[in-house]
Amino acid sequence: AQSVTQLDSHVSVSEGTPVLLRCNYSSSYSPSLFWYVQHPNKGLQLLLKYTSAATLVKGINGFEAEFKKSETSFHLTKPSAHMSDAAEYFCVVSDRGYGGSQGNLIFGKGTKLSVKP
Amino acid sequence: EPEVTQTPSHQVTQMGQEVILRCVPISNHLYFYWYRQILGQKVEFLVSFYNNEISEKSEIFDDQFSVERPDGSNFTLKIRSTKLEDSAMYFCASTGEAVGSYEQYFGPGTRLTVT
Repeated sequence: AQSVTQLDSHVSVSEGTPVLLRCNYSSSYSPSLFWYVQHPNKGLQLLLKYTSAATLVKGINGFEAEFKKSETSFHLTKPSAHMSDAAEYFCVVSDRGYGGSQGNLIFGKGTKLSVKP
Repeated sequence: EPEVTQTPSHQVTQMGQEVILRCVPISNHLYFYWYRQILGQKVEFLVSFYNNEISEKSEIFDDQFSVERPDGSNFTLKIRSTKLEDSAMYFCASTGEAVGSYEQYFGPGTRLTVT
């Protein structure tokens, strides 16, 4: 069965410093992985996705994530945090392998990112 | 840019009452979903809908729940007799991909409070 584990429930960084949000996955298939962001009182917005192409995936707002099969990880990074990055971030895996039929999404518990001035 | 919309943003209801949560998916999308997030817990899959019928449903989606696409644009989730434990944020999502990258586009959610 597919699952994701977000290793930190809360991460706090200073503005201008790097961001690292950690995610490990478990999948029986070649996984489809995503990071979604949720700002307060807003919906879930797709940041980036991995679907068996390049292992380093670039997303919106300067975020990127690296798929590491040997470590079963898909950590989200950003070189320099901005105040507007403060939000909750979800690591997500599809319950179907890439190339299969349309699947449902399995969410991690979320990591709340705080950015200090 | 097209987006998924949901109404109402917040619904308060008494236990035992019926509620209908409404969603307008992105217009050319084919697959529709409901997820929920109980406060402090994970976002959980409830049901998927394709070609005017349920594709899959989770254990949460019992006989008290139903979904419908009454016309070409709306997608609704009905809870027949609400319980306190139904209090949660409910998200609608849609995707146009039959086989592909599986990204789903989410609405802003409806916060359901059952008292």
